[in-house]
Amino acid sequence: GIQVEQSPPDLILQEGANSTLRCNFSDSVNNLQWFHQNPWGQLINLFYIPSGTKQNGRLSATTVATERYSLLYISSSQTTDSGVYFCAVTTQGGSEKLVFGKGTKLTVNP
Amino acid sequence: EPEVTQTPSHQVTQMGQEVILHCVPISNHLYFYWYRQILGQKVEFLVSFYNNEISEKSEIFDDQFSVERPDGSNFTLKIRSTKLEDSAMYFCASRRRGGAGTDTQYFGPGTRLTVL
Repeated sequence: GIQVEQSPPDLILQEGANSTLRCNFSDSVNNLQWFHQNPWGQLINLFYIPSGTKQNGRLSATTVATERYSLLYISSSQTTDSGVYFCAVTTQGGSEKLVFGKGTKLTVNP
Repeated sequence: EPEVTQTPSHQVTQMGQEVILHCVPISNHLYFYWYRQILGQKVEFLVSFYNNEISEKSEIFDDQFSVERPDGSNFTLKIRSTKLEDSAMYFCASRRRGGAGTDTQYFGPGTRLTVL
């Protein structure tokens, strides 16, 4: 099945810093979503981005489908950005299931 | 903004007991899913459900699991005889329209299941 690799696995930042999280996938995808899992365990939708670029406030994401990767940019990080960021994909061919990466654990220190 | 809701938020049960986890998907959504996340691990797909039947299931979703949409609004996951390794966060998700993988899956807040 498709492999989803996220890097880095852990990231520690000072408040105000910028960061880039990467998601590589091993096959063509229909759907790509970025999630933030907060300290209470909730999965928050950030982006639905199978291709192209989107921005939402301090967050933006870019997916280059032909090269099988996606990037999540966090600018001017805040302590509330801490948590685990997951990339998840569905493959072409009709499967509904989202296949998740192992996540990037982000810690933003004040 | 409409949300997927799940109850209870935390369920504690004894090994061998049956549990039912409840979800209310977003009202105009047609596709429904259950995922689980064992503590510290990645999120794993369990099952997808469309038009009152299972459309896809994973190897995890064995005979002890079942899903049901009993009344047109609720979507339940039943575990018949819980095991210690069923302890996990269970997420319900829903999606609006047809065309595989062409729309966002919206996740509920999760039910944390603890099997003692």
